[in-house]
Amino acid sequence: RKEVEQDPGPFNVPEGATVAFNCTYSNSASQSFFWYRQDCRKEPKLLMSVYSSGNEDGRFTAQLNRASQYISLLIRDSKLSDSATYLCVVDNYGQNFVFGPGTRLSVLP
Amino acid sequence: DGGITQSPKYLFRKEGQNVTLSCEQNLNHDAMYWYRQDPGQGLRLIYYSQIVNDFQKGDIAEGYSVSREKKESFPLTVTSAQKNPTAFYLCATKWRGATDTQYFGPGTRLTVL
Repeated sequence: RKEVEQDPGPFNVPEGATVAFNCTYSNSASQSFFWYRQDCRKEPKLLMSVYSSGNEDGRFTAQLNRASQYISLLIRDSKLSDSATYLCVVDNYGQNFVFGPGTRLSVLP
Repeated sequence: DGGITQSPKYLFRKEGQNVTLSCEQNLNHDAMYWYRQDPGQGLRLIYYSQIVNDFQKGDIAEGYSVSREKKESFPLTVTSAQKNPTAFYLCATKWRGATDTQYFGPGTRLTVL
């Protein structure tokens, strides 16, 4: 089993749609969880950290389910500018991070 | 300006040559990381360093070497032993705390001719 798994997509959604991504991880000792966004041929940029209680930042909501070892990202009212690859990231015993392969999102006009 | 710089942005190398990629940061972060990304793939960890003069191998260290003589700098050498070096190389930094986030430099695209 891979350490961090994501559906690679692509998810093609119309503007204004709501879309959700899931990510599963294998290390039950992981303590930190993040979603990064990566545009084509650019470096990843932090979108949001994921907390046990769930957290929201504008149109973006992240949830963590420790019992089932999965993380979710919900994007409401999708914009064309949301088109990117979304990377799920999990810490590895606090030493380094493990990146998922990413989920590609295309928001269509 | 605060941040992470990587140079050069594009690099071409002949097969059999060693090449060194630069990563410099003025964020005063303790930890630094090197990743490799192949087209359509996720990031894979090459090496990381939590403090000066100390570094650990990541998942794909073979054919690469690093040094951490200064807190601000973590250069990566791609040696001729690396069989398939063409890729996008990303440097990242963070504070040493376990829950702190990583920040990335703009990356170097290496092409072996």
